[in-house]
Amino acid sequence: QVQLVESGGGLVKPGGSLRLSCAASGFTFSDYYMSWIRQAPGKGLEWVSYISSSSSYTNYADSVKGRFTISRDNAKNSLYLQMNSLRAEDTAVYYCAAGLLGSSLYWGQGTLVTVSS
Amino acid sequence: EIVMTQSPATLSVSPGERATLSCRASQSVSSNLAWYQQKPGQAPRLLIYGASTRATGIPARFSGSGSGTEFTLTISSLQSEDFAVYYCQQYNNWPPRLTFGGGTKVEIK
Repeated sequence: QVQLVESGGGLVKPGGSLRLSCAASGFTFSDYYMSWIRQAPGKGLEWVSYISSSSSYTNYADSVKGRFTISRDNAKNSLYLQMNSLRAEDTAVYYCAAGLLGSSLYWGQGTLVTVSS
Repeated sequence: EIVMTQSPATLSVSPGERATLSCRASQSVSSNLAWYQQKPGQAPRLLIYGASTRATGIPARFSGSGSGTEFTLTISSLQSEDFAVYYCQQYNNWPPRLTFGGGTKVEIK
């Protein structure tokens, strides 16, 4: 069955870095565009970043542009999010999600990132 | 940036009743709109894409309509498992610059 499993979350100090990973299985990963979407505690969903199926295109929310970098390795069925210069407002559950158009069909269960001193 | 506004923020409905959720875009997104359901402690689930196409396995009681800037999600007869938060999301830009609405919580009346 389809699985997306995020890892790499945790507690980090402001200004620190983390690298999130998302391991995909059960579908043809290289056919799908991928996104990172986050949800701050008790809040709604916020799109963070997008990468096309072949990595030709990427895009970022203004709130993370210049600090976060999305990448993927289709040979390893994996998605990544390098997060630098982290701020308290980046605290959230981070979901990876896969889609064929702009909607996200498959979602992971999320990994919690907490930015606090 | 396209802003998505959902209303109401909370909808109180009795089981078996009809629920109508609204989503408005700040500019036209054509039919590039999706709806998701999220239950506490769970990841969102895709319900509707292309404004009106049900995702695989989604019951027929869920229907989406609209285009341009005004969209509606209708749940024809609420079941106990439908009480959740619902989000709309547009994907009209290229490369995608996705934006979500603030959500509508459907609660038991």
